[in-house]
Amino acid sequence: SQQGEEDPQALSIQEGENATMNCSYKTSINNLQWYRQNSGRGLVHLILIRSNEREKHSGRLRVTLDTSKKSSSLLITASRAADTASYFCATKGNTPLVFGKGTRLSVIA
Amino acid sequence: NAGVTQTPKFQVLKTGQSMTLQCAQDMNHEYMSWYRQDPGMGLRLIHYSVGAGITDQGEVPNGYNVSRSTTEDFPLRLLSAAPSQTSVYFCASSYGERGPQYFGPGTRLTVL
Repeated sequence: SQQGEEDPQALSIQEGENATMNCSYKTSINNLQWYRQNSGRGLVHLILIRSNEREKHSGRLRVTLDTSKKSSSLLITASRAADTASYFCATKGNTPLVFGKGTRLSVIA
Repeated sequence: NAGVTQTPKFQVLKTGQSMTLQCAQDMNHEYMSWYRQDPGMGLRLIHYSVGAGITDQGEVPNGYNVSRSTTEDFPLRLLSAAPSQTSVYFCASSYGERGPQYFGPGTRLTVL
C-alpha cells in the first residue's frame, strides 16, 4: 500500500517561475524524503527531512513538513528547463520506505 | 565509486523463463532493496535486505526470490516469468534503513 500521495499529478510552468508540489501521508513517520527522476533514469535523492524538523533548504529547493497535518511540500524556486522530471515523496515510518506515485513537472523554456 | 550498478539494462523473456537481475554497490551499504516501477503506480518494494544473510519481503514479493551472500551484491531472481512482471526494476542501497537511498539505472524487462 502506498502512503505518500503527491499533488498535483502533473504541473506545467514557465522557466523562472516557482514550482510547488505537495505530499500527504497517513501514518506517523520518522522522516520524509524527496526524490527526482529524469525520464528513463533511476531516482536521485534530493532532500530528507526528519519528523522533528519543520523546514529544510538545499540550493533552490525548500521542503516543509507539517506532522500535525501529515503533509509536506517541495518548492523549487526559479525553475529551469533542466528541472523537468518526476518528483516523488517517500515516507519512512515503522515499515520500509514507501513511495508515492509522483508529480510530473514540465518546465517550459 | 561506481555507486549502484545493474545488469542487464534491457531484457526480453518468454513466459515461463527464469532469469536473474544483478545489482551491486561499492559503497559498503548495509541496506539494499528492489523496486518495480509501473506506469501510474510509482515504485513498489519487492524485497529488501538489512545486511548480508538477511532478507525480507516487501509489498509485491510473489514470483521473485532474493539472496544476500555478500554486502555488495543483491540479485533478484524471477522464477517463472509472467507478462505481469513486465516492468522497470530498480535496485537501491543506503547506509541504513532510514537514510537516503542511492538508485541504480534500472533494468527494463519485457515478458512476452
